[in-house]
Amino acid sequence: SAVISQKPSRDICQRGTSLTIQCQVDSQVTMMFWYRQQPGQSLTLIATANQGSEATYESGFVIDKFPISRPNLTFSTLTVSNMSPEDSSIYLCSAERRLQETQYFGPGTRLLVL
Amino acid sequence: QQQVKQSPQSLIVQKGGIPIINCAYENTAFDYFPWYQQFPGKGPALLIAIRPDVSEKKEGRFTISFNKSAKQFSLHIMDSQPGDSATYFCAALRSGNTPLVFGKGTRLSVIA
Repeated sequence: SAVISQKPSRDICQRGTSLTIQCQVDSQVTMMFWYRQQPGQSLTLIATANQGSEATYESGFVIDKFPISRPNLTFSTLTVSNMSPEDSSIYLCSAERRLQETQYFGPGTRLLVL
Repeated sequence: QQQVKQSPQSLIVQKGGIPIINCAYENTAFDYFPWYQQFPGKGPALLIAIRPDVSEKKEGRFTISFNKSAKQFSLHIMDSQPGDSATYFCAALRSGNTPLVFGKGTRLSVIA
């Protein structure tokens, strides 16, 4: 399995500010994804983080709100921009290792926007 | 359109019982079906997975049953324990660098 770490693990932010979440994988992976999970709900895919190119966003998510970077095969960041209380959620990074069609998840970042 | 339908939404069983969680999918292109276990405050952890060329896979107390013709698969937990209390998600994947499609989850409580 891949070991995935995320920073920060949790944060409380003020409305209108931005937060960048970091995701580090312990080995090279082909695919990296960002999900959002509301309390008690399932996982909703925000975007696929592509190395060296723009992320691929799912319907309902846009780059201006959730800019994503992936400078190399083991690291990605998700920024939640101009936050509102509706952005309060758990944000999860996920990675799929080369030749293994299995996604592993990080521990998540718990965000509360006041 | 929900591509993977999971039921029940919640489940309570006695210790030693066999909870069963069911999932149904629509896209016949899916060819990999994992189950994830998530404890409160943690990320989902891969529990067990199956491909459609087999009808059953067992790992320890966890068993997946797969019915390709019915496009259904289920998770059985044998001799369930209070430590199995968690939320379980089924998922489906189509080969080719595509993301997982998740069910809505089942919150399992195993009571002593």
